[in-house]
Amino acid sequence: ETGVTQTPRHLVMGMTNKKSLKCEQHLGHNAMYWYKQSAKKPLELMFVYSLEERVENNSVPSRFSPECPNSSHLFLHLHTLQPEDSALYLCASSQVLADTQYFGPGTRLTVL
Amino acid sequence: GDSVTQMEGPVTLSEEAFLTINCTYTATGYPSLFWYVQYPGEGLQLLLKATKADDKGSNKGFEATYRKETTSFHLEKGSVQVSDSAVYFCALSENNTGKLIFGQGTTLQVKP
Repeated sequence: ETGVTQTPRHLVMGMTNKKSLKCEQHLGHNAMYWYKQSAKKPLELMFVYSLEERVENNSVPSRFSPECPNSSHLFLHLHTLQPEDSALYLCASSQVLADTQYFGPGTRLTVL
Repeated sequence: GDSVTQMEGPVTLSEEAFLTINCTYTATGYPSLFWYVQYPGEGLQLLLKATKADDKGSNKGFEATYRKETTSFHLEKGSVQVSDSAVYFCALSENNTGKLIFGQGTTLQVKP
């Protein structure tokens, strides 16, 4: 695997389910990011991690819970989501903060 | 706060036509500027970047010049192909934070 990978690519979940999105970067980077891409809205930054520490939480509801166990992996834990949370969730990484970001293919999430 | 404004789409061109997608920004300080491209069903790919005034980023026949005096970073290509059909995002990177601010995206459709 090269670059930034995300699994699953597609996810359908009910409002009471708990699921997790996974991101892995194979670039040796030290910063990782979660973005949300909704229809007809600009991309929104959700969380930023640098050296496994969270440095940005962009007013994201607590039903989204990030986890960064090491510099190569980033998770987004989901619970009791709402239909308006349906979106494409993109992961990105960069060598260090403020450096060029490289994106994964995204997870298309549908909340029923 | 910092912001990015792109021309509204969709932009529809015939193959081999000249492309311009306008992008202007407001920012404190001197951000880095980026163009990302998103093909259908995929994540964002870095197309080109410029890190200081008068820099020209280029890749795959696309070009953009960082114009501080007009706070612009317009994307151009001399001869588009059907395979260039995608959504194009202009973005700036806030100094020191790594936060990317995106424009709303411009859809390009190239017809044979």
